[in-house]
Amino acid sequence: GEDVEQSLFLSVREGDSSVINCTYTDSSSTYLYWYKQEPGAGLQLLTYIFSNMDMKQDQRLTVLLNKKDKHLSLRIADTQTGDSAIYFCAVNFGNEKLTFGTGTRLTIIP
Amino acid sequence: GAVVSQHPSWVICKSGTSVKIECRSLDFQATTMFWYRQFPKQSLMLMATSNEGSKATYEQGVEKDKFLINHASLTLSTLTVTSAHPEDSSFYICSARVPSPDTQYFGPGTRLTVL
Repeated sequence: GEDVEQSLFLSVREGDSSVINCTYTDSSSTYLYWYKQEPGAGLQLLTYIFSNMDMKQDQRLTVLLNKKDKHLSLRIADTQTGDSAIYFCAVNFGNEKLTFGTGTRLTIIP
Repeated sequence: GAVVSQHPSWVICKSGTSVKIECRSLDFQATTMFWYRQFPKQSLMLMATSNEGSKATYEQGVEKDKFLINHASLTLSTLTVTSAHPEDSSFYICSARVPSPDTQYFGPGTRLTVL
């Protein structure tokens, strides 16, 4: 089946790196995405990675994909207070639709 | 680029009335849009896939006569919640699909409260 899982909470000190993890169960993924949701808002596309890639870097964001282990991670370098939000991992299993993880609430400790 | 808007951003209505929510892709055309529902502190639940010029495809358990979807143009999809009841109160979010690379861009959401 198509299932995506994330841990619910992560707390990080300001200035440290945040690493948010995601696992998925089906090997037919095409694209994998990270979205950010702030309170009362929609989802903002942060970055995506194609399934034949291992890594993608975009400024403070680094995405790592381990297709063998079906594991995706998002690293945010130099975490700031404005990074506080819920981060959703989403996987496209080849049928146009996105399957979302539960979301990880990132809290920044001053 | 790839901006999606929703209108209204919030609405309060009485039980039994119908509410229409609009989703627009502002700077691109989208043959496919999606409607999601999000409960507090939960993830997104896909309700239906809206295809321009054809009938929407609903997910299992979503009443198509309750949640009417119309995708009359390449930049506009509408969701009408008919005969709304308090249990329909929720945060409704739409997205528009860009086929290459295959990505979805989300609107800001509409908070519906049914009294």
